[in-house]
Parts: sequence; structure tokens; C-alpha cells
Amino acid sequence: EIVLTQSPATLSSSPGERVTLFCRASQSVSNNYLAWYQQKPGQAPRLLISGASSRATGIPDRFSGSGSGTDFTLTISRLEPEDFAVYYCQQYGNSPLTFGPGTKLDIK
Amino acid sequence: QVQLQQSGPGLVKPSQSLLLTCTISGDSVTSNVVAWSWIRQSPSRGLEWLGTTYYRSKWYHDYAESVEGRISVNTDASKNEFYLYLNGLTPDDTAVYFCAASITGGMLILNFWGQGTQVTVSS
Repeated sequence: EIVLTQSPATLSSSPGERVTLFCRASQSVSNNYLAWYQQKPGQAPRLLISGASSRATGIPDRFSGSGSGTDFTLTISRLEPEDFAVYYCQQYGNSPLTFGPGTKLDIK
Repeated sequence: QVQLQQSGPGLVKPSQSLLLTCTISGDSVTSNVVAWSWIRQSPSRGLEWLGTTYYRSKWYHDYAESVEGRISVNTDASKNEFYLYLNGLTPDDTAVYFCAASITGGMLILNFWGQGTQVTVSS
């Protein structure tokens, strides 16, 4: 099973700033099948990015993903107040699909 | 756009079984390009995939090793629903359970999610 680690565990930032979240896999993710989700309290996760870099329908272009192999990043170019949430990476290239432990992005 | 509505009990006694329902709108449970999954989330385990079912001329099922032998994911085409059945519950199964849909063929990208059901295992 591929283990995903995310860093930092918590990130404090301010609206308007640029942030980068990291996801590292214990082995190479097949075909870079890596997704990112955003989760707010009391809600289900929401798909942001799939295939490491493809934004899901309706996701603003301030969200971007990159990376390959074992190292992936999610960048939010200019934080909006609604972006403060927990972010998870998930790999779906190898069975079983697995999730990272999450990065909590909170307001400084 | 697929929408998923979950229903089921919030409290289950230890050793009993759990049955959760996910009602689908906007697509068919027998679609040849969609996969239907259950995921749970707890403070101790984080997000954990439990199982997936999909129809490609016949039904396929895939389950996590952590719950293999205790889990079944089934469907009812007449109701356009899919179900999670989990038996032999222990307090460790306490979690928020989500159903999800992957509309991208064979890739388990979790495009749409149900609202979640808090399940507590306690006597």
C-alpha cells in the first residue's frame, strides 16, 4: 500500500498570500494519479485536482497542482477567506487507494 | 451532475451490523463508466477507503483488506441505490461514513460525495 505524507501538518497564512502544500508518496504513484481535496468542518471532501494538475470542474484557477513520481504540490496563488480548510491528497494509481493525513490551513 | 443522499443509523451496538444507504440522482447505479465507493473518516484512522462496486457488463467489487470478510457493497438498480453492509462492529468502527461516485471510468477519482453519516459504535 502506498503511504502518503503531507507537510506541513498545519499552515497559518493570511488572505491574499500564496501557499504551497506538499504530498509525498512512499513509492512512485502510477501515471501520477494523484488528487487533492478540500474539506471544511461538517462537510464532505470536495475534489480540487486530479491527475496531479487538472482542476476539477468549477475550481478557481488560483488552485494549481504539480509534481510527479513521489512528490506533489498544491499551490493556492492568492488565498481567499473561503480557502481556509483542511487539504488532503489521495493516490488512485495503485490499489488500495489511500489518503494523506491532511494539511490544516488556518488564518494567521 | 451526480448527487448522493445518505441514510442510516447513527448508533450501533458492538458486535452488531451496520447498513448504510446511498441514493443516487443524476446517473444510474448500472452506468458502465461510474464506480461507487464507501469511505470513512475518524480521528484515529483519517480518511480510509472501504470498498467500491461498479458495473461493466457484470458487477465487480473491491474491498479494503482492513475490513475484508466483514464488508459487502451492494446495489439495487430498481431504487438506484448502493449500500454498505459492515458486520462485527467494534468501537474502532466509529467514524463518519461517506459514499462517493467516480465518474472517470476506471480511475477512482472521488468526484462526488454524500453528506456523510456519523456512526457511533457503543453499548
